[in-house]
Amino acid sequence: QSVLTQPPSASGTPGQRVTISCSGSSSNIGSNTVNWYQQLPGTAPKLLIYSNNQRPSGVPDRFSGSKSGTSASLAISGLQSEDEADYYCAAWDDSLNGAGVFGGGTKLTVL
Amino acid sequence: QVRLQESGPGLVKPSETLSLTCSVSGASMSGFYWSWFRQPPGKGLEWIAYIYYSGVTNYNPSLRSRVTISVDTSKRHFSLKVSSVTAADTAVYYCARAEDGQLGDYWGQGILVTVSS
Repeated sequence: QSVLTQPPSASGTPGQRVTISCSGSSSNIGSNTVNWYQQLPGTAPKLLIYSNNQRPSGVPDRFSGSKSGTSASLAISGLQSEDEADYYCAAWDDSLNGAGVFGGGTKLTVL
Repeated sequence: QVRLQESGPGLVKPSETLSLTCSVSGASMSGFYWSWFRQPPGKGLEWIAYIYYSGVTNYNPSLRSRVTISVDTSKRHFSLKVSSVTAADTAVYYCARAEDGQLGDYWGQGILVTVSS
């Protein structure tokens, strides 16, 4: 049982826009910033979004993040086949002595 | 280019201590948080602990009693020890660097550790 809640799966066709939600509480998303990670099969997670909506250098602007209250979302526009991966949201949690918490992950399938 | 590389035994016996090291190259360790994560086969990510370059630590409450994280900035590496391991500790272990507010920006490739007799 993950502290942050994500849908287990999502899908879209090439070119579409897909959003992945992440629900938390006042102690994590509500009071700290949200990170999003992309994990391709057999590889380490890659930071996609930090500070709710900031992209590290090299991450395409097709990826965007937003946060409202205790929920956050990752949007992927112009979906491409190489976007097929697992996506995780993460944040620090003040109620757990500042522990890091993750969502259970969303497997994105490009149809 | 920041690079992190995990090293350690790939097989640990039940009840023994798992010990891993993460070697850092391409960047100073100063000013950053250095973390360990793990991912059981077919499951999601779990944060284990972090250590600030100054030595300040924080642990996942569910693992706190069995985990120790340490750093040696002169050797540019940090380490993880998990005691009294069971099969539930079988996972790919990742090390990562983080800036304030992040959980990890640069990650190692991961190392599979299997707990089995």
